[in-house]
Amino acid sequence: DAGVIQSPRHEVTEMGQEVTLRCKPISGHNSLFWYRQTMMRGLELLIYFNNNVPIDDSGMPEDRFSAKMPNASFSTLKIQPSEPRDSAVYFCASWGGGTGVHTYNEQFFGPGTRLTVL
Amino acid sequence: DQQVKQNSPSLSVQEGRISILNCDYTNSMFDYFLWYKKYPAEGPTFLISISSIKDKNEDGRFTVFLNKSAKHLSLHIVPSQPGDSAVYFCAASDMGGGSNYKLTFGKGTLLTVNP
Repeated sequence: DAGVIQSPRHEVTEMGQEVTLRCKPISGHNSLFWYRQTMMRGLELLIYFNNNVPIDDSGMPEDRFSAKMPNASFSTLKIQPSEPRDSAVYFCASWGGGTGVHTYNEQFFGPGTRLTVL
Repeated sequence: DQQVKQNSPSLSVQEGRISILNCDYTNSMFDYFLWYKKYPAEGPTFLISISSIKDKNEDGRFTVFLNKSAKHLSLHIVPSQPGDSAVYFCAASDMGGGSNYKLTFGKGTLLTVNP
């Protein structure tokens, strides 16, 4: 398995432009996560999908951010308009799921997209 | 408000010695804890985990200790190797609360193992 695939790996854009980040989860995983990593806040969850449905978007910073998962093998995170404070590394992760207490809970992360907004 | 704290941004040890990485949490509902390792330009990868019903879990050179009363966990690496040099993230989950998907991460500790 190729693991979680993210594109692009690096993105440099100017303030006000639209940015779209892409993710292909591990085949068979029914859960997908978008995270953002910054020096100030560390690694924080933005949104969680289960079976292509957004379950928890409480971490999405504001309306400029939106995420979609049109099918089980593809998700996008869009920022429109982008601002310099959005500069960060964005990770996508997928998970095969599991229920109950003490269930092994490993999420598999992609390599990340480093976004720079000038 | 950081619910998972890694108070040491960095740690440097000699090859062959023990590395001890620490993590504190504030949310008493957390009942499952994980450590992830991250190399530059890569995503975090799972290393080891521990359930709140245990106080120790061991996997080869890696051992995680959990002290629930102190809300503290630590990762021990013995012996440390230069290839262990990476950022280590502590993460916690409330498995029994219906949100077992959600991992709350610390900010990470950069471990450098010197040859």
